[in-house]
Amino acid sequence: AQSVTQPDIHITVSEGASLELRCNYSYGATPYLFWYVQSPGQGLQLLLKYFSGDTLVQGIKGFEAEFKRSQSSFNLRKPSVHWSDAAEYFCAVDNSGYALNFGKGTSLLVTP
Amino acid sequence: GAGVSQSPRYKVAKRGQDVALRCDPISGHVSLFWYQQALGQGPEFLTYFQNEAQLDKSGLPSDRFFAERPEGSVSTLKIQRTQQEDSAVYLCASSFDATNEKLFFGSGTQLSVL
Repeated sequence: AQSVTQPDIHITVSEGASLELRCNYSYGATPYLFWYVQSPGQGLQLLLKYFSGDTLVQGIKGFEAEFKRSQSSFNLRKPSVHWSDAAEYFCAVDNSGYALNFGKGTSLLVTP
Repeated sequence: GAGVSQSPRYKVAKRGQDVALRCDPISGHVSLFWYQQALGQGPEFLTYFQNEAQLDKSGLPSDRFFAERPEGSVSTLKIQRTQQEDSAVYLCASSFDATNEKLFFGSGTQLSVL
């Protein structure tokens, strides 16, 4: 089964600083990849997805992600973090055409 | 409705008790998914419906877990004879079509089995 690994359990950044959350996938062909965000007490919300084509994907809330086949990575980035970005971030891969396989998540803390 | 609604928001059950968790997907959404999220983990797939048909239930942990969507809208996840290891947040998601390109998740039901 296809899987993703999020190496960082917790990340702390200062408000206004740039952000990069790491995600590595294990699959030989081009996977379908997703980033979701989960705020406390809320459901998961789709930030962006990659299926094919341009390897730099733009999402909502100012987020972007870059698919790098050579590194088996799909890292999430944001140039300037806002306090409201504090949340849990999940990378996911399409495992079957419908079921998503999620990573364990990275918890983002934003300091003043 | 405006979003995916799940009830109850919290459920405390004694070990051995049966529970039923409800999911109201966005109106008209074809696909419905159940995921289980243990503390500190990512969501794990349980089962998938396309309209009223349960197309995949391979993620259900045991035969104590049962899900249905009889009329292709509301879904119920039932857990019989709950065990402590069933404690988790149960998430429901729906999709407009038969793909997973954009899932809309509910806030989940947090189940605690004592």
